[in-house]
Parts: sequence; C-alpha cells; structure tokens
Amino acid sequence: DQQVKQNSPSLSVQEGRISILNCDYTNSMFDYFLWYKKYPAEGPTFLISISSIKDKNEDGRFTVFLNKSAKHLSLHIVPSQPGDSAVYFCAATKTSGSRLTFGEGTQLTVNP
Amino acid sequence: GAVVSQHPSWVICKSGTSVKIECRSLDFQATTMFWYRQFPKQSLMLMATSNEGSKATYEQGVEKDKFLINHASLTLSTLTVTSAHPEDSSFYICSARGTGYGYTFGSGTRLTVV
Repeated sequence: DQQVKQNSPSLSVQEGRISILNCDYTNSMFDYFLWYKKYPAEGPTFLISISSIKDKNEDGRFTVFLNKSAKHLSLHIVPSQPGDSAVYFCAATKTSGSRLTFGEGTQLTVNP
Repeated sequence: GAVVSQHPSWVICKSGTSVKIECRSLDFQATTMFWYRQFPKQSLMLMATSNEGSKATYEQGVEKDKFLINHASLTLSTLTVTSAHPEDSSFYICSARGTGYGYTFGSGTRLTVV
C-alpha cells in the first residue's frame, strides 16, 4: 500500500524556469510533510517542510504548497538552476508518531 | 546543524559473511534511529526503527535475525547484515532524530555481496 505517491518519475525544465514537483498521499492521519533532495550514492538532504495547519511554506527559491482536501502537495523551485538536478522525494509523517513514509521520487533535470 | 556520520560508505563482502554498518549522531543525541534500504531507482524503504536502549521494531517482511540492529547509546546505532547474500546488495541509509531535531540522514552505505 503506497501511502505517498509521486506519479512523475522524471521532470525536465530549462534553467531559469519554474520546476513543479507533485506528491499525493492517501493517509489522512499524516500531518507533517517534508521534501528531500538526493544525489546518487548519498543520503537525502532536507529541503523544506510544511505542517498541516498551513497551506504554504516558503524558503528562498523553494515553496511547498499543501492542499489537504485533495491530499496533495507540491514543491515549486523558481528559478530552477542546473545544480537543482537530483532526485526529489516527498515524505509524510504523523507528528504524534515518528516514522517517515517516502514517495518514489522524481528525477529533476534542469537544462542550461 | 545536526550531522549524522555513516560508515563505511561502501563495502564489498563475500557471500556468507557478515557486515556491520555504523551510524553516529555527531552533535546531538539521537533518541530514535531509522534504517532504510534503497534499491536502484526506487524509494527509501524503512527497515526498522530503534529507540536507545530498546529492541528495534522491524517492518513487515524484514528478517530481524538477518538484519541485527543495535542502538546501545544516544549517539550510535549499528546495522549488521548477517550471512549476507547477493540479494542483500543494496544502498542502506540511516536517519537519526533527537528532541528538537528533525530527521537527519547519513550519507548511506553501498553494500555489494559477491
């Protein structure tokens, strides 16, 4: 049972444009969501998170939007840079619990 | 910021031998450690969760006798793959969480069993 899904395995954008990565979840008990960036043979690096009491959180070029009714979140990167090329994972958890549940990941490629 | 050190970064072992992977929280006390496994082009799959001083809680389908997890201190957890076989070859990642700290990941260990 895949409770967190990233339906796009890959995304390609031009440098300077916006990258939008999407994530859907099915477990309504999830109330905290995170985005990680990962390079091959490395551990994930935390990017940004959002609590279910908010619908938007912004940190520099990264913005995460949460639509609780649709059980959908998205990560916007603008402007996209070639160094942003990596696999992006969304993850969800219950603040009362501790484990993270990851999506399958989306390979972002930003072309110069 | 919070740093988690994971060693070794890669290891090759012969089939039937055991391999130990270490995960250390360098600047915070990790009350909970998580061990993940990632196959190529797939998601991170949680193997087990361990709290300091307690037995690890394993996810369904993960053999506790094969993947031994020890969390004897607030800064160190180890994963031992016992009697390794080629199908155990994978990328193993630890994550640590402490009070006031989020989820910090180690750099991962590439295990190849030949």
